[in-house]
Amino acid sequence: TQLLEQSPQFLSIQEGENLTVYCNSSSVFSSLQWYRQEPGEGPVLLVTVVTGGEVKKLKRLTFQFGDARKDSSLHITAAQPGDTGLYLCAGRRTNAGKSTFGDGTTLTVKP
Amino acid sequence: GAVVSQHPSWVICKSGTSVKIECRSLDFQATTMFWYRQFPKQSLMLMATSNEGSKATYEQGVEKDKFLINHASLTLSTLTVTSAHPEDSSFYICSAPAWGSAHRALYEQYFGPGTRLTVT
Repeated sequence: TQLLEQSPQFLSIQEGENLTVYCNSSSVFSSLQWYRQEPGEGPVLLVTVVTGGEVKKLKRLTFQFGDARKDSSLHITAAQPGDTGLYLCAGRRTNAGKSTFGDGTTLTVKP
Repeated sequence: GAVVSQHPSWVICKSGTSVKIECRSLDFQATTMFWYRQFPKQSLMLMATSNEGSKATYEQGVEKDKFLINHASLTLSTLTVTSAHPEDSSFYICSAPAWGSAHRALYEQYFGPGTRLTVT
């Protein structure tokens, strides 16, 4: 059973469009992370959300943690080709515990 | 932020040989490190948790005799793929938790750049 379900799995959009990626679970997480990974490289941490209902913004990226700390979303405004990559959500049940990763969303932004 | 390195970045080996991949925390100590495997356009699959001074904890379905893990020091963990076969070809990534720069009371996972293994 996949603990974290991420959707959509693939997304191809034009430059300037908005998009939302969802990360859902039936489990409660103490924290949830969003990563971006480019081909041939390791994931790079974008944000960590900890508090239920928390909203964090990173330039054109907006991250939201569900009130019950079971789900999260990533919204990108006015996507740019540089946003292309694999976006991964990961949840942890304890502070230093192992991370459970979602399936990933491959985003392609066409110029 | 904390830096994790991996060596080699890529390796090609013949079927039946063994390959060692190193994971180092460069500016912090890590009593725990995690090893992941990733296939193209897929997510990371946790293989095992490496524990300094004790045995690694393997995830279900991962052969511990095939994927040998040694956490030799507080800054080094190694993954050895023994008797490699073409189906072992994959992208192997390690990570180590360290205190986060944004949340001081929260551990963040810092990932290495990955090692591309190709078994011919």
